[in-house]
Amino acid sequence: SQKIEQNSEALNIQEGKTATLTCNYTNYSPAYLQWYRQDPGRGPVFLLLIRENEKEKRKERLKVTFDTTLKQSLFHITASQPADSATYLCALVVYGGSQGNLIFGKGTKLSVKP
Amino acid sequence: SQTIHQWPATLVQPVGSPLSLECTVEGTSNPNLYWYRQAAGRGLQLLFYSVGIGQISSEVPQNLSASRPQDRQFILSSKKLLLSDSGFYLCAWSPRTAFYEQYFGPGTRLTVT
Repeated sequence: SQKIEQNSEALNIQEGKTATLTCNYTNYSPAYLQWYRQDPGRGPVFLLLIRENEKEKRKERLKVTFDTTLKQSLFHITASQPADSATYLCALVVYGGSQGNLIFGKGTKLSVKP
Repeated sequence: SQTIHQWPATLVQPVGSPLSLECTVEGTSNPNLYWYRQAAGRGLQLLFYSVGIGQISSEVPQNLSASRPQDRQFILSSKKLLLSDSGFYLCAWSPRTAFYEQYFGPGTRLTVT
């Protein structure tokens, strides 16, 4: 069956450290992979998109890698801050699907302690 | 710039009552529109999407329906709510030719009692 998994439900780290979140998938061939941030009681906010032919994408303190052989994406936040505390969702975009075919993981709740 | 509105923000309804949630988008034309549900401990589940007025595709058979009476208006409805309809309902839009660029609204927290 097709699955998308974010390995940790929760991740606690100290301020200033690098947070690394993992997204694994099986039986999909995604064209793109995206990461979203969701704060409690709010809608997800788009952060980064990486294409299947890209290995790495950066935006300020954020870095995303995409390994289609391992079927895995890593999401890094460097020099983490308490304001980075939120739930982070990965989402796959799959070719050949319907117009609505954005498949989300359950998310990882990141807590950055001062 | 584009903005997306949803209302109400929170709603408590008894089982068996009707439901109407509304979503509107400003600052863009001919968007794709989406309704998602996020239940506790579960990922975002796509319920409906629309590529134009009156065009609705359902992803999950259920107690809910959707309508798009105007280009930038999307409505989620139910005739009789079930307990299992409780959750966080999110509307999203995307450009017509880039469905993967989805931008979400603030959401509606629905509790069915």
